[in-house]
Amino acid sequence: KAGVTQTPRYLIKTRGQQVTLSCSPISGHRSVSWYQQTPGQGLQFLFEYFSETQRNKGNFPGRFSGRQFSNSRSEMNVSTLELGDSALYLCASSLGQPDTQYFGPGTRLTVL
Amino acid sequence: AQSVTQLDSQVPVFEEAPVELRCNYSSSVSVYLFWYVQYPNQGLQLLLKYLSGSTLVESINGFEAEFNKSQTSFHLRKPSVHISDTAEYFCAVTFTSGTYKYIFGTGTRLKVLA
Repeated sequence: KAGVTQTPRYLIKTRGQQVTLSCSPISGHRSVSWYQQTPGQGLQFLFEYFSETQRNKGNFPGRFSGRQFSNSRSEMNVSTLELGDSALYLCASSLGQPDTQYFGPGTRLTVL
Repeated sequence: AQSVTQLDSQVPVFEEAPVELRCNYSSSVSVYLFWYVQYPNQGLQLLLKYLSGSTLVESINGFEAEFNKSQTSFHLRKPSVHISDTAEYFCAVTFTSGTYKYIFGTGTRLKVLA
């Protein structure tokens, strides 16, 4: 089976722009979670989707949003980018909870 | 509040020495516990997990962790480390109450020295 894929792998944006990141889960996985990884902060939970429904959301401002499509693919969007949004954004898929999460390689976002 | 604490940000250890990476959690409900590993320039992958049953769980590469409910801990141990164990290790927890949320610790960077 193919693993979790994330596109693009690298992004450079400037402050105030918006960005959309994409995640394709492992075939058959209906749960997709998003995380922000920064040095010293570890992984911060953004949100989780299951069958197109957001079931939980982390403590991030409303500039961070996401969605899931009927084929379980997911996107996250960050509007009005700030310098502090520079991070590695990870997507993980699973069959459900508390199943193992399988992580993608991440999208490295740099905001200048 | 629910949280995961990894007390050591970095742990240097000589090859073939034992190591313990500490993880404590805080939760008002029952938990499931995980250790993930991130090798240099690679993605995160599951090392081991505790869902139920025996409180001692093992990985295929010689790591083990023990769930201690009274001390709310899930420390990771290996009796003899190899250079190839150099990586960052993350402890994570999710909840039996079905919040669909995983909380990760800030990670411990294990550096194995020759």
